[in-house]
Amino acid sequence: EAGVVQSPRYKIIEKKQPVAFWCNPISGHNTLYWYLQNLGQGPELLIRYENEEAVDDSQLPKDRFSAERLKGVDSTLKIQPAELGDSAVYLCASSGRTSGKYNEQFFGPGTRLTVL
Amino acid sequence: QKEVEQNSGPLSVPEGAIASLNCTYSDRGSQSFFWYRQYSGKSPELIMFIYSNGDKEDGRFTAQLNKASQYVSLLIRDSQPSDSATYLCGRGDSWGKLQFGAGTQVVVTP
Repeated sequence: EAGVVQSPRYKIIEKKQPVAFWCNPISGHNTLYWYLQNLGQGPELLIRYENEEAVDDSQLPKDRFSAERLKGVDSTLKIQPAELGDSAVYLCASSGRTSGKYNEQFFGPGTRLTVL
Repeated sequence: QKEVEQNSGPLSVPEGAIASLNCTYSDRGSQSFFWYRQYSGKSPELIMFIYSNGDKEDGRFTAQLNKASQYVSLLIRDSQPSDSATYLCGRGDSWGKLQFGAGTQVVVTP
C-alpha cells in the first residue's frame, strides 16, 4: 500500500514569492491534515479536511495561506506571499474514518520550505 | 502554558537500559494520547496510543496513562541504538484534533 505522497520534497524561494505544496493521501482515507513543523518543535495543525470539507482551519493564517481539497482526495496548500518566518517543514497526514476514538494518522515525508 | 509539555532532552540511555519519557497535558477533556517517533529528517510514525488509565504494552514499549495526574509516559525496554530519535507526545480530543508536544530527543549509547 502506498503511503502519503507529498511534493516537492524541498523548495527554496525568495520572500514575497508564492509557493504551493501538494499531497496525495492514502487511498480511502477521508481525513487529511496539513501540519507545520518548526525545528525542535512538534507538528502544529494548520487545517483538517473531512472529505472535501475543511472542518478545522482555525490555525491557518488566512491572510496568506490557503488550501483546497477538490474531490476529497488530493490537497494543495498555498502560501502567497511567503515570508521569512514561513521556513519550516510542511507535513501532510491522512487517517481513515473515525469511530469516535483516535485513528492513526499517517504522515507523508514533508516538504522542507526555505524562504530567503 | 502549552497544552502538551515534554522535556526536550536529550535523554542519554545506555544500550540495553530502560528509557523513560514523560509528558503532561493541561486539558482534562483529552480523549486519547499517543506517542510518535521521529527520526532526524523524517516524518513522525506512530508507536502507541492509549485511551484508558493504566499500562499498555507493545513489544519493548509500554505506555502509561494517569488521567487524574494528567500525565502519560513511555517506557522503552532494552533500548537499542535504533531507538535514537525524537519522541513526540500528543493528545487528541473527541473531534480527532491532535496536539503535539515539542518532543524528547533520546540518544542510546552503545
